[in-house]
Amino acid sequence: ELKVEQNPLFLSMQEGKNYTIYCNYSTTSDRLYWYRQDPGKSLESLFVLLSNGAVKQEGRLMASLDTKARLSTLHITAAVHDLSATYFCAVDWVQGAQKLVFGQGTRLTINP
Amino acid sequence: KAGVTQTPRYLIKTRGQQVTLSCSPISGHRSVSWYQQTPGQGLQFLFEYFSETQRNKGNFPGRFSGRQFSNSRSEMNVSTLELGDSALYLCASSNNPTNEKLFFGSGTQLSVL
Repeated sequence: ELKVEQNPLFLSMQEGKNYTIYCNYSTTSDRLYWYRQDPGKSLESLFVLLSNGAVKQEGRLMASLDTKARLSTLHITAAVHDLSATYFCAVDWVQGAQKLVFGQGTRLTINP
Repeated sequence: KAGVTQTPRYLIKTRGQQVTLSCSPISGHRSVSWYQQTPGQGLQFLFEYFSETQRNKGNFPGRFSGRQFSNSRSEMNVSTLELGDSALYLCASSNNPTNEKLFFGSGTQLSVL
């Protein structure tokens, strides 16, 4: 059974600081996704990582994938309050299907 | 281009009742999947449909069922509701099952009393 674990689950940080969210998964998978969810809202796609060594960046967020270590990271650079949200990673359970297994989510709070 | 539309947005039911939730995917998208989100269990996969066929199903009891119509719209049904079925139900679409990006709707918040 595929398991996806994120850490930390809760993160409170100051504006301007850097931090990293980790996502570990238990079995081989072709794709890893990162999503953002604001309170009471739906999931917003941030990144899709398709291969070992893949790195994608959007603004202050950068995601990377190490398929050998079964690890993805989401790095936040010089955090700003608007990045406060819950971040989920997810992995394809079945190759070529939309059957995602999600991590528990990391609730990120960025304080002024 | 309109996003994924889910109706209703909120729903209150009592135990034992049944409920039907609707999802209209983005125009041109043929693949629809459903997820349940609860504080305790997080996000869990329910079903996936492509061209009116259920391709994958999650580990949920038979009370949970779904279907997809020829216009790609999808419905899910939960019969004999239990308190534990209270959740946010999210629908996602993509233009084919191997597509990289899923687009999620705003969800239906179901409360079972």
